[in-house]
Amino acid sequence: QVQLQQWGAGLLKPSETLSLTCAVAGGSFSGFYWTWIRQPPGKGLVLIGEINHSGRTNYNPTFMSRVTMSIDTSKNLLSLELSSVTAADAGVYYCARGLVVVADFYFDSWGQGTLVTVSS
Amino acid sequence: SSDLTQDPAVSVALGQTVRITCQGDSLRSYYASWYQQKPGQAPVVVMYGRNKRPSGIPDRFSTFRSGYTASLTITGAQAEDEADYYCSSRASSGNHWVFGGGTKVTVL
Repeated sequence: QVQLQQWGAGLLKPSETLSLTCAVAGGSFSGFYWTWIRQPPGKGLVLIGEINHSGRTNYNPTFMSRVTMSIDTSKNLLSLELSSVTAADAGVYYCARGLVVVADFYFDSWGQGTLVTVSS
Repeated sequence: SSDLTQDPAVSVALGQTVRITCQGDSLRSYYASWYQQKPGQAPVVVMYGRNKRPSGIPDRFSTFRSGYTASLTITGAQAEDEADYYCSSRASSGNHWVFGGGTKVTVL
């Protein structure tokens, strides 16, 4: 059973860079999509982007200019950086594993979430 | 406008049946996956593909797709089913994945 454990700075000032890391235990990076998803307070889920085991990324156009995702397969780590944060970037950030079964895609494992607050 | 549209809230009496819908252009080509989220917790997948249920999910959950609409049905809703439910599928305008706005299910 794969487990995702995430961490990172929870309090940022406007214009700073959000940086989160997600450790993957009990599973391989290969064959999956690794994603970051955020949830503003009281609102719904938004996919920030995805990265595969070879490092190929696919970002939500909304975040394209500010986001960088990376993986370190030797350490089983997934990372997210989101630059120039504003109050609108506050919320809970999740790492999640995307799984393709034949033609079906779903997010089968999630991290515990990291609450990010942006305040001056 | 959102790629996937869900009703904000629905209520159901204990033991009765409730259907949650998700509308979007991409649903004609892709099946939706469905996630249950309880307060303070990460989402959990409850259904995916053509009526497929991950291990451990009760069989009172089922899905159906017709045209541009996907639906999640809870037959015999239990108190523990009270949660927010999100659908997810491909974005109609690109090659990334999107979520619906979520439906809050209240079990009366």
